[in-house]
Amino acid sequence: ETGVTQSPTHLIKTRGQQVTLRCSSQSGHNTVSWYQQALGQGPQFIFQYYREEENGRGNFPPRFSGLQFPNYSSELNVNALELDDSALYLCASSLPGGVKGNIQYFGAGTRLSVL
Amino acid sequence: SQKIEQNSEALNIQEGKTATLTCNYTNYSPAYLQWYRQDPGRGPVFLLLIRENEKEKRKERLKVTFDTTLKQSLFHITASQPADSATYLCALDTGMDSSYKLIFGSGTRLLVRP
Repeated sequence: ETGVTQSPTHLIKTRGQQVTLRCSSQSGHNTVSWYQQALGQGPQFIFQYYREEENGRGNFPPRFSGLQFPNYSSELNVNALELDDSALYLCASSLPGGVKGNIQYFGAGTRLSVL
Repeated sequence: SQKIEQNSEALNIQEGKTATLTCNYTNYSPAYLQWYRQDPGRGPVFLLLIRENEKEKRKERLKVTFDTTLKQSLFHITASQPADSATYLCALDTGMDSSYKLIFGSGTRLLVRP
């Protein structure tokens, strides 16, 4: 069984730039969620993708966008980076529709630093 | 407003003792609550899930209780070991929409001294 993998592991960008983060979901999982985790805080839900459509969004501006591909892998795109976007970005895959209590299987994350 | 609260102060205990971590929430009616473990620089790892109609769940040295009247969950690690040192996060579903969005607390850091 292949776990959730994310790339890159670390990234440094400057304010105003754009970034794309990538995620491959665990085999058998067709639902992907993205979270932002600031230092010392818990993960904050950004959005979820199911069957290539956005299926729920947290309190994040439109410059945070995503994609899900037919093989269930996913991308998170952030435009016009701000200093406060510096965080650990976590991707999690799960079974759809709250099956088995919506248990999230997380990747190791991408550490984004915005200078 | 809706809140999930975990003790922000680190819990420091002696090896062999029982660690008890608390998760309190307000203004939610979750169908279930989950606990995760997170090590530095790593993603959270699922530990246990408890549903609203369950009072207690156990897995090896772990025990979770869920009191929907008090809006509180307790997470216990018995016979704690230094390897249990990590940050523990509680998470619950908002029960509000079809996205099955999870809301996480900020976590409690546990340090088990040898």
